[in-house]
Amino acid sequence: NAGVTQTPKFQVLKTGQSMTLQCAQDMNHNSMYWYRQDPGMGLRLIYYSASEGTTDKGEVPNGYNVSRLNKREFSLRLESAAPSQTSVYFCASSEATGGGYGYTFGSGTRLTVV
Amino acid sequence: GNSVTQMEGPVTLSEEAFLTINCTYTATGYPSLFWYVQYPGEGLQLLLKATKADDKGSNKGFEATYRKETTSFHLEKGSVQVSDSAVYFCAPVNSGSARQLTFGSGTQLTVLP
Repeated sequence: NAGVTQTPKFQVLKTGQSMTLQCAQDMNHNSMYWYRQDPGMGLRLIYYSASEGTTDKGEVPNGYNVSRLNKREFSLRLESAAPSQTSVYFCASSEATGGGYGYTFGSGTRLTVV
Repeated sequence: GNSVTQMEGPVTLSEEAFLTINCTYTATGYPSLFWYVQYPGEGLQLLLKATKADDKGSNKGFEATYRKETTSFHLEKGSVQVSDSAVYFCAPVNSGSARQLTFGSGTQLTVLP
């Protein structure tokens, strides 16, 4: 099925550990995004990639890095996890050209940092 | 950047009741507007959209009209079902190259049988 695939679905880390969240889309979309969702705060943009080869910071980039590996893949890395990074992480993609296109979201990664 | 103010939840309704979830936004220009829905344990799904003033987006019995004069995009449904229980997010899109969405805080809807 076409869409956005995120791995893993669940992860528990110890404080200070590192990990990479993977995201891949098969819709030939230009733009990709990483959001975090916390209770009562909606979704907040961490990083985005308007097109292959470019990345930019969003609202809450501290403690994260990203890589747009190719047009399909956009990974999010936590170099030294902290309890404040406990959250649900969503990857999304969008066709950036033209108007009125929304996002297609992955099913999320639930991350707990202890 | 854009900002969104959504009706605070949680909202609890009986089946077949009328639903309104208010959404107002601030933005530069006239952004496209979206409503997303998130069912328990899932990612967000596009519910409906409107791309210009006075457009009405509709899907699955839900409707929302792009009101430029009041910068609003309120979500309505005439008769809710238990299966509509979810979190609803209003989101305008930025006009930049990445077309970022700015999400409201979400409104939790619970429909009781």
